[in-house]
Amino acid sequence: GEDVEQSLFLSVREGDSSVINCTYTDSSSTYLYWYKQEPGAGLQLLTYIFSNMDMKQDQRLTVLLNKKDKHLSLRIADTQTGDSAIYFCAESMDRDDKIIFGKGTRLHILP
Amino acid sequence: GAVVSQHPSRVICKSGTSVKIECRSLDFQATTMFWYRQFPKQSLMLMATSNEGSKATYEQGVEKDKFLINHASLTLSTLTVTSAHPEDSSFYICSALTGYDQPQHFGDGTRLSIL
Repeated sequence: GEDVEQSLFLSVREGDSSVINCTYTDSSSTYLYWYKQEPGAGLQLLTYIFSNMDMKQDQRLTVLLNKKDKHLSLRIADTQTGDSAIYFCAESMDRDDKIIFGKGTRLHILP
Repeated sequence: GAVVSQHPSRVICKSGTSVKIECRSLDFQATTMFWYRQFPKQSLMLMATSNEGSKATYEQGVEKDKFLINHASLTLSTLTVTSAHPEDSSFYICSALTGYDQPQHFGDGTRLSIL
């Protein structure tokens, strides 16, 4: 069945780059997403990428997609304390289809 | 600004109470809305797909008589947790499609605590 896997924790020093990795199983996924959730808050869509793309960059965020390996990564450059949150990798077959989420990676920023 | 509004943001009530959560699309019409649930330190799981003017489609294992969904207009879907019990305590969050080629946008969620 559909599954999205990601590591649960990541610690990064302030100013360094953070790289959060994710793998998914459904090869028919068309949309791949990264969401951010701060404590007690809802979900913020950070970025998304279509399955026919290899890379997408948006300011400090870079998404890389290896469709062959079903591997998605999110790189946050110059990580700041405000980046501390849980990051969810997710996928859907289409934009009007249900979204399958990973368990989330808790990003901890070290001073 | 927010394109999907969810209300209330927080509910605390006694066991046996029924609780209604509203999900509104702002400035756009949403024929389809989704309801997700997130237990503490867990991921989000889809509960049901809400379709305007028709019955909701529930995911396997979600009791449709327990979680009533009404999507009576193109801008409003409601989720009613009937006779809520402590095990229903969770974070409920809705999403809606906002327009052409745009992914779903999520509301800010409702944290439900049943005492």
